[in-house]
Amino acid sequence: NAGVTQTPKFRILKIGQSMTLQCTQDMNHNYMYWYRQDPGMGLKLIYYSVGAGITDKGEVPNGYNVSRSTTEDFPLRLELAAPSQTSVYFCASAQGRQGRPTIYFGEGSWLTVV
Amino acid sequence: TQLLEQSPQFLSIQEGENLTVYCNSSSVFSSLQWYRQEPGEGPVLLVTVVTGGEVKKLKRLTFQFGDARKDSSLHITAAQPGDTGLYLCAGDGGAGNMLTFGGGTRLMVKP
Repeated sequence: NAGVTQTPKFRILKIGQSMTLQCTQDMNHNYMYWYRQDPGMGLKLIYYSVGAGITDKGEVPNGYNVSRSTTEDFPLRLELAAPSQTSVYFCASAQGRQGRPTIYFGEGSWLTVV
Repeated sequence: TQLLEQSPQFLSIQEGENLTVYCNSSSVFSSLQWYRQEPGEGPVLLVTVVTGGEVKKLKRLTFQFGDARKDSSLHITAAQPGDTGLYLCAGDGGAGNMLTFGGGTRLMVKP
């Protein structure tokens, strides 16, 4: 019962470094998402994908890139990390009818940029 | 941009008390969801409401979708310490099953 799996769980980056957050789901969901959650706040959508080969920007895409070469994987790339990117990142996938998604979240990746 | 505002932001109550959390928007949503998130974990879906005026119950939790599908409320009866967590509402109003999340209500229920 893996569901949505994110790695790494924790990471400390120096300003200007780059890294990739990995996300994989084994539920054959078409929809996948990356959200960030700042302390005590709700979630903001970074990027989303409606299927392999299709990605689109969410509310806060600047400083990030994604790809969706397979249905299972949806990695999030941080280029030139900045302190403002310190956050908890959640990957999610969804099934269900349009307008009634059932979204499953990963456990989160804690990223600190120093 | 569709915005969802939750109130209150923080709520600390004693075990056994009742409470209501609100989720408001000026936009119409095709569905609205409520999640609970515990520290160190991702949000977990509690309920989805779709029809204006719809009421759903989940044990001691009662969820209502506004008639105009712009707002929702979550009422907890006889709160327990296990109800402690961050409650998030999220609305779906566009393509790609994208959800817009509210800022959350952090609930603490003291024994």
